[in-house]
Order: sequence, then C-alpha cells, then structure tokens
Amino acid sequence: LAKTTQPISMDSYEGQEVNITCSHNNIATNDYITWYQQFPSQGPRFIIQGYKTKVTNEVASLFIPADRKSSTLSLPRVSLSDTAVYYCLVGGVGSSASKIIFGSGTRLSIRP
Amino acid sequence: GAVVSQHPSWVICKSGTSVKIECRSLDFQATTMFWYRQFPKQSLMLMATSNEGSKATYEQGVEKDKFLINHASLTLSTLTVTSAHPEDSSFYICSATGLAEETQYFGPGTRLLVL
Repeated sequence: LAKTTQPISMDSYEGQEVNITCSHNNIATNDYITWYQQFPSQGPRFIIQGYKTKVTNEVASLFIPADRKSSTLSLPRVSLSDTAVYYCLVGGVGSSASKIIFGSGTRLSIRP
Repeated sequence: GAVVSQHPSWVICKSGTSVKIECRSLDFQATTMFWYRQFPKQSLMLMATSNEGSKATYEQGVEKDKFLINHASLTLSTLTVTSAHPEDSSFYICSATGLAEETQYFGPGTRLLVL
C-alpha cells in the first residue's frame, strides 16, 4: 500500500493560491491519486483525482510529475470556507478498488 | 459526483446494547464499501472492506465479532456495533465505489455516543 506524506498544517490568507504537496514514493502502476477535503463532523468530500500530468476542475488543479512520486493540490484564491483538513490518498479505483489508508492530512487554516 | 448516505447521522445508546448503521449508495451500484472510524482530531482509520455478497475483510486489530458488517446488496452495507461500550464512541464513516466509478465516495458519517 502506498504511504503518503503531507505537511501537518498550513496557513494562508483569503484570495491567495494555496499549494499542498504530497509525497507517495511507492505508488503502484494502477494507483490513482485522489484528494479529499474534510470539515469537522463530516465525511470527506471528493475534490479531484488524477493519474498523471495535470488535472483541473472547477475547484482545484492537481499536478503530477512524470515519476508520479508526488502530487500537488492547487487551490486558487482561497476563502475562509476552505479552512479544512485535506487528505492525499493513493489507491486503485473501480474494478481495481483497493483499500486506501489515510495519512495525517494537512490542516489548512485560512485567515482574513 | 455519486452520493452516499448514512443513517442515522447520530445515535446515543446505553452500554451493552447493539447499534446498526446503514450506508447506502444512492445513484450507483457499490461493488465495494469501506468502513472507517475517526476519533477527535485524528485521521480516518480503516476498519473493514466489504464486497457485495461476500464476507468483509477486517483490518488488523478490528474485532469482526464486535463490528458486524453486511453487504447484502449493491446499494446497502450495514455496520452493527454489538455490545457497545463507551470506548466505541466515535465517528463512523463509510465509503463506496463501483465498477463504473473512478473513485471512492464517502458518506456524511454517523456519530455514536455510548453512555
């Protein structure tokens, strides 16, 4: 199982771009990289998922280098409501669904 | 994205009683469901993995006779905490994925308080 490492916490200000990097040195060939956001007393919410290169959706971008040993979640122009814990996870999906192990996550605090 | 629901959202019970938590995939068929537990200020801890129609696979240290998991249909999995004790008080979260889905979607969680 791929293990992930991310910063324990990060601080930023409203309107700034926030980049959270995750290391996953032993990622497997069929593993996808998925980022989730969790607010207190709620289940994790899917943000973005990718396999390689760059993926962008309406809320974030995900950058994955060619070796796939790390990934960076980019949140453009954050607001106070982006204060949450962000988890980087790797694992198989769909027919290759495998258990995913949560790391400690990154506690992001956004200030006015 | 796909929607996963949990019921109840919170439950309070007396020590020694059993509690059943339901996890449903509302708009897709979940071939695999996962159950997690989360204590305050901690990350999610995987308890077990269940595939529709087969027995659940429990993580090391999780008592299968205490945490009964049933995945009888492609849209429903249940977790029953048997003979609950105060140390079982936690936030229980399920997730689901299907053959056509490319990711795991999580339920909103169930807060269990055992008195």
